Amino acid sequence: GAGVSQSPSNKVTEKGKDVELRCDPISGHTALYWYRQSLGQGLEFLIYFQGNSAPDKSGLPSDRFSAERTGGSVSTLTIQRTQQEDSAVYLCASSLERQEAQYFGPGTRLLVL
Amino acid sequence: GESVGLHLPTLSVQEGDNSIINCAYSNSASDYFIWYKQESGKGPQFIIDIRSNMDKRQGQRVTVLLNKTVKHLSLQIAATQPGDSAVYFCAVNNQGGKLIFGQGTELSVKP
Repeated sequence: GAGVSQSPSNKVTEKGKDVELRCDPISGHTALYWYRQSLGQGLEFLIYFQGNSAPDKSGLPSDRFSAERTGGSVSTLTIQRTQQEDSAVYLCASSLERQEAQYFGPGTRLLVL
Repeated sequence: GESVGLHLPTLSVQEGDNSIINCAYSNSASDYFIWYKQESGKGPQFIIDIRSNMDKRQGQRVTVLLNKTVKHLSLQIAATQPGDSAVYFCAVNNQGGKLIFGQGTELSVKP
């Protein structure tokens, strides 16, 4: 079946602009996660949605970052007033339930000029 | 909190040899562990997972070993092939949803 999809695959923006990144999880997966990966680094947790529970936002680096998950499916990560240090690959993952295998999408490569 | 580290940032092996990639974690309450493979320009690919009630799990050509006493995790790849060349990450789940990732080991397979 279809895996996790993300769009756009690449995004170049100017410092100070807002960007929206989209994630379509695997159908039927109740949990959705966002991570960030800087060049040559491991993955850094950002936010996690589980069903109708309040999201775990403990990894968001600043209040410029926010995310929504509508209808328990698609999620959007929004970065306001982008800064150059926001440049990274943003990865989305989904899992059937909490503490099950997380399957990743291909990522969105964000470059802030 | 949890921290996850790897013993070697790079590993080079001969094609056909076995590879062993190691990982250490800090929180004894961690109860779910996953290994991922990441090729250049792609998202991490799930390889194998193990829960804390087990100490060994085998897949196709891969084995994960968990030593809770010393908080150590390893991934063994049998008969390593050129297609196994990638960065390998261990990830640890501490009774929650989020994963804490190590920095990764880059595996190079020499023909």
